[in-house]
Amino acid sequence: DQQVKQNSPSLSVQEGRISILNCDYTNSMFDYFLWYKKYPAEGPTFLISISSIKDKNEDGRFTVFLNKSAKHLSLHIVPSQPGDSAVYFCAVPWAGSYQLTFGKGTKLSVIP
Amino acid sequence: ETGVTQSPTHLIKTRGQQVTLRCSSQSGHNTVSWYQQALGQGPQFIFQYYREEENGRGNFPPRFSGLQFPNYSSELNVNALELDDSALYLCASSITGGENGELFFGEGSRLTVL
Repeated sequence: DQQVKQNSPSLSVQEGRISILNCDYTNSMFDYFLWYKKYPAEGPTFLISISSIKDKNEDGRFTVFLNKSAKHLSLHIVPSQPGDSAVYFCAVPWAGSYQLTFGKGTKLSVIP
Repeated sequence: ETGVTQSPTHLIKTRGQQVTLRCSSQSGHNTVSWYQQALGQGPQFIFQYYREEENGRGNFPPRFSGLQFPNYSSELNVNALELDDSALYLCASSITGGENGELFFGEGSRLTVL
């Protein structure tokens, strides 16, 4: 039973446009949500997070939105750059621990 | 600051064999966890070590075992390898009490079981 779902395996976006990556979760008790980015032949790297008490968190070109009623979060990248091409995972930690549950990931391709 | 390093980067084993994967945590990090990433999937939590003790385990059989050493380096051992064990194995370190859920991953060890 997947507790974190990323239903789009891939996404292609033109350089300079907005990229929107989506993630749905099932457990309303999750209190923290994270996004990781992974390039080929590298480990995942932390990108941005959001607490369940917020509905938006912004860091430069990256913004994460949380809709608790819909159990949905999204990552917006504006403007998208070719270097953003990577696999993006949403993840949730269990009860303040470092035991993360990851989605299957969305492969973003930013076309120059 | 030295990041998380893993060895070997690639290895091939045959079914039934045993494998040991190694990880050196990022300097100052006292918690290490291991994840398995199968093709087309997200990383799946195997277990976590803190102060040389296992303090969390995912849905993996006992033939997956680990160690954490006083210098916070770590090993993942898998016995009686099965074809489905073929995956990228990721080590991640963190500081207890640090930012919630932020892990620092190594590049991974890609295991192929034939």
